[in-house]
Amino acid sequence: QKEVEQNSGPLSVPEGAIASLNCTYSDRGSQSFFWYRQYSGKSPELIMSIYSNGDKEDGRFTAQLNKASQYVSLLIRDSQPSDSATYLCAVNIITRGADGLTFGKGTHLIIQP
Amino acid sequence: EPEVTQTPSHQVTQMGQEVILRCVPISNHLYFYWYRQILGQKVEFLVSFYNNEISEKSEIFDDQFSVERPDGSNFTLKIRSTKLEDSAMYFCASSQDRDTGELFFGEGSRLTVL
Repeated sequence: QKEVEQNSGPLSVPEGAIASLNCTYSDRGSQSFFWYRQYSGKSPELIMSIYSNGDKEDGRFTAQLNKASQYVSLLIRDSQPSDSATYLCAVNIITRGADGLTFGKGTHLIIQP
Repeated sequence: EPEVTQTPSHQVTQMGQEVILRCVPISNHLYFYWYRQILGQKVEFLVSFYNNEISEKSEIFDDQFSVERPDGSNFTLKIRSTKLEDSAMYFCASSQDRDTGELFFGEGSRLTVL
């Protein structure tokens, strides 16, 4: 059974610091990895996708993937209070594309002003 | 910016009643999805739809569920005989490119079954 594990938090980070969010997955066949942000009562919003080992940077966000360790992380630099949300890790097998994305339960991030 | 729209935003229904949730995907997207999120729990895949047929469904998507694309824009999820445990937020999503897995979600329809 495919599983995606995240520490549920809350993870509390001072404003301006780096927030580090982690995710592990069980299915070695997973090839596509995503980070979604979900504000309370709202829908998930895609913020990063990563498909190959290494780092991928987009503005203040950096996604890191290590397939050997089955580990994905998200770094948020210069954290802002507006970054306070639940961050969902999602993975899937590339041959299935978005069919049946498996989500983690999410990490609740709190940025302290 | 194009977006996925869902109606209704909130529906309250009695157990055993039929419910239809509606979605208008992003216009140039070809792949459509329904996910659900029970309060405090994970986002769970229900079904994917492409070329007017189901391409994948989860074990949650049993015989009480059905999906349809009745015209060129709407994508609907029908729950035939609702149960208390169907209470959840139902998200519609669409994707332009299935292989990337990049989904764009609607704001959700909250279903409350009494």
